[in-house]
Amino acid sequence: GEDVEQSLFLSVREGDSSVINCTYTDSSSTYLYWYKQEPGAGLQLLTYIFSNMDMKQDQRLTVLLNKKDKHLSLRIADTQTGDSAIYFCAEGKRRAGNNRKLIWGLGTSLAVNP
Amino acid sequence: GAVVSQHPSWVICKSGTSVKIECRSLDFQATTMFWYRQFPKQSLMLMATSNEGSKATYEQGVEKDKFLINHASLTLSTLTVTSAHPEDSSFYICSVVKGDTEAFFGQGTRLTVV
Repeated sequence: GEDVEQSLFLSVREGDSSVINCTYTDSSSTYLYWYKQEPGAGLQLLTYIFSNMDMKQDQRLTVLLNKKDKHLSLRIADTQTGDSAIYFCAEGKRRAGNNRKLIWGLGTSLAVNP
Repeated sequence: GAVVSQHPSWVICKSGTSVKIECRSLDFQATTMFWYRQFPKQSLMLMATSNEGSKATYEQGVEKDKFLINHASLTLSTLTVTSAHPEDSSFYICSVVKGDTEAFFGQGTRLTVV
């Protein structure tokens, strides 16, 4: 079946690193995404990784992909209070007719304490 | 800058009335747009895939007569919630996929039916 799982909450101190984890079920997924949603706002694409990559780094963000375990993680270095938000993991799947479908986790609520 | 513009950001309507939500692709022509619904503290649920010039593809369990989708041009898709009821109150988000990888989201529309 289609399922993406994430822990629901994470609390860190300002300046520490945050690691948000995600597991997915479909090994045929082509892309894996991390989105950020601030309160009352839409979704912001943070980063994505192709399924044939192991790691991607983008400034303070590091994405690690373990294809064998179907495990994806997002590390935020030097976490700031502005990073407080809900982080969604999503896997991208192709469907018939060249359509795409994103399967979403429930989101991890990150709280950054001063 | 923004890639997707969604309007309105919030709307309050009376039970029984219809509400139209617009989603515009600002930077590129989008043959496909997606409509999602998000309940509080839950993940996004794909409602339908909007295809320019043809009928939308609805996900299982989504009433096509209730949620009318029109994708009349390559830059505009509309979602009309017909005969709205309080249980239709939710956060509705549209999305477009650029190229083969990146999904961009509108700001979302918070619908409250009273």
